[in-house]
Amino acid sequence: DSGVTQTPKHLITATGQRVTLRCSPRSGDLSVYWYQQSLDQGLQFLIQYYNGEERAKGNILERFSAQQFPDLHSELNLSSLELGDSALYFCASSVTRGEQFFGPGTRLTVL
Amino acid sequence: AQSVAQPEDQVNVAEGNPLTVKCTYSVSGNPYLFWYVQYPNRGLQFLLKYITGDNLVKGSYGFEAEFNKSQTSFHLKKPSALVSDSALYFCAVRDMMNRDDKIIFGKGTRLHILP
Repeated sequence: DSGVTQTPKHLITATGQRVTLRCSPRSGDLSVYWYQQSLDQGLQFLIQYYNGEERAKGNILERFSAQQFPDLHSELNLSSLELGDSALYFCASSVTRGEQFFGPGTRLTVL
Repeated sequence: AQSVAQPEDQVNVAEGNPLTVKCTYSVSGNPYLFWYVQYPNRGLQFLLKYITGDNLVKGSYGFEAEFNKSQTSFHLKKPSALVSDSALYFCAVRDMMNRDDKIIFGKGTRLHILP
């Protein structure tokens, strides 16, 4: 158990809908990262937050957004969902510049 | 810009034999290097890292990795493979020159250990 928790484990929704994925980092970790893993694209870095502020941005679509709250948990919001958004979404946390510890992921299925 | 390559999509090894999973990287400055393993329907688990110091890094589950600066490689090794080592392995790199903490992952290598 990495200490990073993600909810929900599974999410099934329809095209055009909006969902929110939640992540709680390990105790003491200030950085939260979001990744998308799909069969054809591998593991894609989406965005990083550090102590509530955006630190780095990767291949995140404009339909997607994230935030980190004062208690350091983070949410990833995915809107106007398309079939191609079906994937595993992982959250990871770390201390500054340390290795990242991954949550168990949320499997999103868009029908 | 930083990048990492895992040239093999899949590696097959007989149980008890040594295994190597290859990784090469490209960074502007000095690298932080990582190996992660992913079992089916699980998140990635940290195996080991190289930041500085000894080029041979030891990690979890008997794995080790060798940093080679001249060849820009960081291959994952284990002297004797177990069937339970079968999983998806990811190499990752962070460029120490970058202000952010972004880590770039390779596409992964699927390791099959044959009984």
